[in-house]
Amino acid sequence: DQQVKQNSPSLSVQEGRISILNCDYTNSMFDYFLWYKKYPAEGPTFLISISSIKDKNEDGRFTVFLNKSAKHLSLHIVPSQPGDSAVYFCAASTPVGGGADGLTFGKGTHLIIQP
Amino acid sequence: DVKVTQSSRYLVKRTGEKVFLECVQDMDHENMFWYRQDPGLGLRLIYFSYDVKMKEKGDIPEGYSVSREKKERFSLILESASTNQTSMYLCASSLTQGGSYGYTFGSGTRLTVV
Repeated sequence: DQQVKQNSPSLSVQEGRISILNCDYTNSMFDYFLWYKKYPAEGPTFLISISSIKDKNEDGRFTVFLNKSAKHLSLHIVPSQPGDSAVYFCAASTPVGGGADGLTFGKGTHLIIQP
Repeated sequence: DVKVTQSSRYLVKRTGEKVFLECVQDMDHENMFWYRQDPGLGLRLIYFSYDVKMKEKGDIPEGYSVSREKKERFSLILESASTNQTSMYLCASSLTQGGSYGYTFGSGTRLTVV
């Protein structure tokens, strides 16, 4: 049972435009949601997170929106730059005993920024 | 700068060999994790540890074991390597068990079993 879902394996966006990456989840016990960015042959790096009690968190060009009633979150990147081309993983955590161990990751979305 | 260091970037091993993947962190984190990443499958948790000498199975522990004799070191062991264990292996550590601080990942070990 996949608790964190990223339904788009890939996304192509023109440089300078907005990139929107989506993520859905099923476990209502998740208390934090995180986005990681991964380049080939490197480990994932933490990008931005949001607590389940918030609906928006912003950090520079990156904004994460959380719609708890829809169990949906999205990452917005504005404006998109060539260096943003990478695989983006959505992840979620629960408090201890919340039904998942560690971070639960989605399968990732490969973002390609076109010049 | 905080670091999680994985001893090898690339490894090639033969079927049936015992394989050790080493991971060291310098952040004094109690929590350490081993994931594998495969195309189309994302990151899947193999084992994790919340304290020295403590280990817990993740989602896909079959064919693997781990060792945590010291706080800073978490080793993943493939008892008898098989071709379906060819993958990218990622070690991570975290300050808390929950995800508020996120995880710090190592650079990964690309293991090929032939």
